[in-house]
Amino acid sequence: GDKVKQSPSALSLQEGTNSALRCNFSIAATTVQWFLQNPRGSLINLFYLVPGTKENGRLKSAFDSKESYSTLHIRDAQLEDSGTYFCAAENYNQGKLIFGQGTKLSIKP
Amino acid sequence: EAAVTQSPRNKVTVTGGNVTLSCRQTNSHNYMYWYRQDTGHGLRLIHYSYGAGNLQIGDVPDGYKATRTTQEDFFLLLELASPSQTSLYFCASSQAVYEQYFGPGTRLTVL
Repeated sequence: GDKVKQSPSALSLQEGTNSALRCNFSIAATTVQWFLQNPRGSLINLFYLVPGTKENGRLKSAFDSKESYSTLHIRDAQLEDSGTYFCAAENYNQGKLIFGQGTKLSIKP
Repeated sequence: EAAVTQSPRNKVTVTGGNVTLSCRQTNSHNYMYWYRQDTGHGLRLIHYSYGAGNLQIGDVPDGYKATRTTQEDFFLLLELASPSQTSLYFCASSQAVYEQYFGPGTRLTVL
């Protein structure tokens, strides 16, 4: 089964609304990273997390290692937030990431 | 900000062909990675390296070789390319197990 499972797989939002993306882990994740793959295909770092929360502008992310999940909240969605969001977990200091399948986010004006 | 470059950006070859994908990073990161991205599978790790001369096997290594010649350069080799290796390939680098920074990708088509 999937070691890193993202939900939802796709999401469509009106500009200005809020959303929450989620990753559930079936591995002992020690750190989590979130990336945005924009429509041009570039992968952009959003967050690197140890257990806890981080915030950057309209984005906020949390990682709970005990409950094995991470969330990404987008506030006041803008057109440029469109793309596919990936979470990835590092499994117990193995030095490599395991990626989820992604959430495709479409923002409509 | 991390700078990771890949070449070529696009490559078309035939079944049985020999392909080398190149990756260079200029941030003195010790870790480098090769991934492939396919619809329905997200990103999957092919090979990675802790430093020059080091190679670690990833999750989908079959049909691929890799070599890390310097701190900066990491190469992915397909010696007998097959259509199943048609994919979008990404290189990434990181300092130890911290944030990974990705290159722009190489689109490979094997006919």
